[in-house]
Amino acid sequence: DTEVTQTPKHLVMGMTNKKSLKCEQHMGHRAMYWYKQKAKKPPELMFVYSYEKLSINESVPSRFSPECPNSSLLNLHLHALQPEDSALYLCASSQTPTEYTQYFGPGTRLTVL
Amino acid sequence: GENVEQHPSTLSVQEGDSAVIKCTYSDSASNYFPWYKQELGKRPQLIIDIRSNVGEKKDQRIAVTLNKTAKHFSLHITETQPEDSAVYFCAASRSNFGNEKLTFGTGTRLTIIP
Repeated sequence: DTEVTQTPKHLVMGMTNKKSLKCEQHMGHRAMYWYKQKAKKPPELMFVYSYEKLSINESVPSRFSPECPNSSLLNLHLHALQPEDSALYLCASSQTPTEYTQYFGPGTRLTVL
Repeated sequence: GENVEQHPSTLSVQEGDSAVIKCTYSDSASNYFPWYKQELGKRPQLIIDIRSNVGEKKDQRIAVTLNKTAKHFSLHITETQPEDSAVYFCAASRSNFGNEKLTFGTGTRLTIIP
């Protein structure tokens, strides 16, 4: 299995809602990433998990809360989001933190009303 | 931190002709340079990458060249086809532990004209 999967594909939420995005990989990768991508822009790094520990937080607002329950799974918990948080949220993984190649999941298209 | 500039932002090429996209980076410690292709509404897909100990790499119609001295790298697509139409992103990384960060260029929208 050489794929990163993400659920849900689409999510619409109100500003008071709590929701979670899920990312899964079964390639034995030990580094996982969350990116945010706005239309016509490159992916923007949010968080990096290395060996299930948070290693990079790119000064992301606390309304985004990452979690890595095990080496295959990465969650992004969302609470009290703003309309400007609407974007494509991409998960990626790489074999190790120092193995460069990152493979992306299909993304979750998030709309905040 | 690293800064990656990418040019051009849009590129239109006749089918069968070649396309070249260029990127420059600022951090001389960067040692890994991937190229991603992203079709509309889809995930970025790695199409080719190069490490700093190599000057050129080729995979069928796609090639990447790296000039470490000048800190720039380029994507070359030959014999372009309609399915090459997409947005292409370059990126740079100096992947040592604690710096596992890919810095992306701003993207090039490539359109192949049939």
